[in-house]
Amino acid sequence: NAGVTQTPKFQVLKTGQSMTLQCAQDMNHEYMSWYRQDPGMGLRLIHYSVGAGITDQGEVPNGYNVSRSTTEDFPLRLLSAAPSQTSVYFCASSQELAYGYTFGSGTRLTVV
Amino acid sequence: KNEVEQSPQNLTAQEGEFITINCSYSVGISALHWLQQHPGGGIVSLFMLSSGKKKHGRLIATINIQEKHSSLHITASHPRDSAVYICAVRSGNTPLVFGKGTRLSVIA
Repeated sequence: NAGVTQTPKFQVLKTGQSMTLQCAQDMNHEYMSWYRQDPGMGLRLIHYSVGAGITDQGEVPNGYNVSRSTTEDFPLRLLSAAPSQTSVYFCASSQELAYGYTFGSGTRLTVV
Repeated sequence: KNEVEQSPQNLTAQEGEFITINCSYSVGISALHWLQQHPGGGIVSLFMLSSGKKKHGRLIATINIQEKHSSLHITASHPRDSAVYICAVRSGNTPLVFGKGTRLSVIA
């Protein structure tokens, strides 16, 4: 099993550009989530989904959109990139909220 | 929102030492997770517990629900244990809230 696959691993964007970070899992997990990790701070939740067609905002949702059209995929869209969105992004999945999490390998994003 | 505090922030140990990392939280929880983040960045789930104690190899995790406190112990530490250890908690059906992590360096 591949687990949770995130692409790309690295990305440099110019301010104002848009892009989509991809996240796919092959474990038939219902729960998927996106986090950002910044120096000196814990992982912070951006958006999450408890199943196909259902998404909700986390702690830091501004500037990001998500959709969950299938169980497998949970893409994160940056609408108009800003330098404040420079961060490492992690996608994670779980069978349910009450179960252990599997993390993707992360995407290091730099906005210049 | 639950506040999760970890201590120490940084820890340096000699190989073979017994290591303890602490996690405290402010609101009652359904479960607590311990995670390990390797120097390369990948995050691996170590334990999920809601009471008592769990052991896997040289790692032991304990939780005291009444005191809102958990500890992660590493016995006979080794340089390959060098990583950031992260505590995260869940209350009811809310998503995880993460601590800032403890950076461990084990020197040979």
